[in-house]
Amino acid sequence: AQSVTQLGSHVSVSEGALVLLRCNYSSSVPPYLFWYVQYPNQGLQLLLKYTSAATLVKGINGFEAEFKKSETSFHLTKPSAHMSDAAEYFCAVSPRMDSSYKLIFGSGTRLLVRP
Amino acid sequence: ETGVTQTPRHLVMGMTNKKSLKCEQHLGHNAMYWYKQSAKKPLELMFVYSLEERVENNSVPSRFSPECPNSSHLFLHLHTLQPEDSALYLCASSQGLAGGPLGELFFGEGSRLTVL
Repeated sequence: AQSVTQLGSHVSVSEGALVLLRCNYSSSVPPYLFWYVQYPNQGLQLLLKYTSAATLVKGINGFEAEFKKSETSFHLTKPSAHMSDAAEYFCAVSPRMDSSYKLIFGSGTRLLVRP
Repeated sequence: ETGVTQTPRHLVMGMTNKKSLKCEQHLGHNAMYWYKQSAKKPLELMFVYSLEERVENNSVPSRFSPECPNSSHLFLHLHTLQPEDSALYLCASSQGLAGGPLGELFFGEGSRLTVL
């Protein structure tokens, strides 16, 4: 069965430090992969997506993610954290089975940014 | 109004009440969704409507009843809920089904439901 695992329910970084949020997926076919962000008291918003074009995907707010098939990973990074990045981040996978699409979300990682 | 709008933002109800959550999308999308977000659990897909037809019902108890009268509106009717149903209910829409190359989900801000 397809699944997605986010390592670490909480990640804490200092302002200006590198942000690395980990996502590993399980899929029997090349998947589509997504990162969504949820700010407090808001719904989820798409940060970026991988749909089999370039393996390094750039998103909004300076975030990017790299699809690594050999590692079945799609980790999210940002070179320098800002206080406004504090939010919950969700990785999602769509296994693209039989031309039907089903989006499976991870459990989320809450990013804390220390001044 | 733009995007996806959900009302009410907060709802408190007793276990014998009947209430409804409303979602409206102003994006011209053809698919709408209800998700349940509980603390410390992955986002749970409840229902999917595509072109106003229900295409997925993820084993949701019958005390939750969705309605999609047109492509812009989605309701979730609630009756005889349990305290464990307390959660944030998120509505979303997409052009094409979610998870596809075009199927970016656009979420509303959610309705926070508390069942006493």
